[in-house]
Amino acid sequence: DVKVTQSSRYLVKRTGEKVFLECVQDMDHENMFWYRQDPGLGLRLIYFSYDVKMKEKGDIPEGYSVSREKKERFSLILESASTNQTSMYLCASSTGTGTTNYGYTFGSGTRLTVV
Amino acid sequence: ELKVEQNPLFLSMQEGKNYTIYCNYSTTSDRLYWYRQDPGKSLESLFVLLSNGAVKQEGRLMASLDTKARLSTLHITAAVHDLSATYFCAVDPFRSGGGADGLTFGKGTHLIIQP
Repeated sequence: DVKVTQSSRYLVKRTGEKVFLECVQDMDHENMFWYRQDPGLGLRLIYFSYDVKMKEKGDIPEGYSVSREKKERFSLILESASTNQTSMYLCASSTGTGTTNYGYTFGSGTRLTVV
Repeated sequence: ELKVEQNPLFLSMQEGKNYTIYCNYSTTSDRLYWYRQDPGKSLESLFVLLSNGAVKQEGRLMASLDTKARLSTLHITAAVHDLSATYFCAVDPFRSGGGADGLTFGKGTHLIIQP
């Protein structure tokens, strides 16, 4: 089975801290994604990457950055955490491109609270 | 901008009844996904629908896709309490030239099935 592992299940950080959320997948997938999930808003795409050192903005990239130095690892960075970034963060990966891209696998999520 | 609309957003029903969740989307796509999420958990893949007219069934759940109407349905037959969860549909927009854009999700249908 494809595994997408997020390093922390729960995190509590202070306003203004730099926060790193880590995601690792073990199936050699090209594509990796970061979403945040908020009640009543569903999941929204923050950033994604389809190759090492490549990154693309999703729908809500403001206040976030990402890093993909290795194929299996995709990090989400909150440069200066704010309370409105309190949320559940979900990482996902997939393989293939264009019409051959199907089958996304999600990690178990990181619930981040910024105080 | 791709929009994905689910309805209803909240559904309370009794065991043994049938019901349908609808998912409308605003752009051309022939790839649609259904996920289940239990409280505090990540997303579990239910169905991947990859072409017009696709129909898939698993137990009491059946999903279908009409790409011309830009509509997918998730039908629940003879509901049981264990199906209580939040259900999300998600659309994978096809971008010419390949690459993966990430899924765009509906806001989810919170389903409660009462004994």
